[in-house]
Amino acid sequence: EAGVTQSPTHLIKTRGQQATLRCSPISGHTSVYWYQQALGLGLQFLLWYDEGEERNRGNFPPRFSGRQFPNYSSELNVNALELEDSALYLCASSLAGYREETQYFGPGTRLLVL
Amino acid sequence: SQQGEEDPQALSIQEGENATMNCSYKTSINNLQWYRQNSGRGLVHLILIRSNEREKHSGRLRVTLDTSKKSSSLLITASRAADTASYFCAYGETSGSRLTFGEGTQLTVNP
Repeated sequence: EAGVTQSPTHLIKTRGQQATLRCSPISGHTSVYWYQQALGLGLQFLLWYDEGEERNRGNFPPRFSGRQFPNYSSELNVNALELEDSALYLCASSLAGYREETQYFGPGTRLLVL
Repeated sequence: SQQGEEDPQALSIQEGENATMNCSYKTSINNLQWYRQNSGRGLVHLILIRSNEREKHSGRLRVTLDTSKKSSSLLITASRAADTASYFCAYGETSGSRLTFGEGTQLTVNP
């Protein structure tokens, strides 16, 4: 069974540009989570999608947004990139999130903002 | 900060020794999970313990949970060089499914 996949593996952008990161959950999982792992800040929760809807949002500005598609894959968009957005972005999936199931993580997308 | 705390921040041991990592948190939780991360890659799920459980085993891993002290520990027995990684605790709060992560413990197992 395939695990969580993320693309691209690496992404280089300049300040002010937009970045789009993609995630495909494990087959059968309906919940997708996004986390940011920035140097010195640890792993921070960004967004949670379940059944196509945003269920919870972390303490991030509105320029961080995303969506979940009917096939449960997800996209994270970061607008007006800032240098401090450079980080490893991790996607995770689980069965229905409300039942506190284990979250399975993808390999991440490393975003570098120059 | 709502982030969990882990100690030690770094731990260096010899192969064959046991490694113990501790995690403390501040809120009520539904479950606590431990993850491993190798060299800035994705997280690998190790074990989940629910708030009504006190101890759980999986292979060489033993996790304990003390909800009265809001703390958990991860014990890795008979460590191997391949166990070298960062270990994170993460907990799900009662108000939703987002995970709050600890700061992590960098474990180095010397051959």
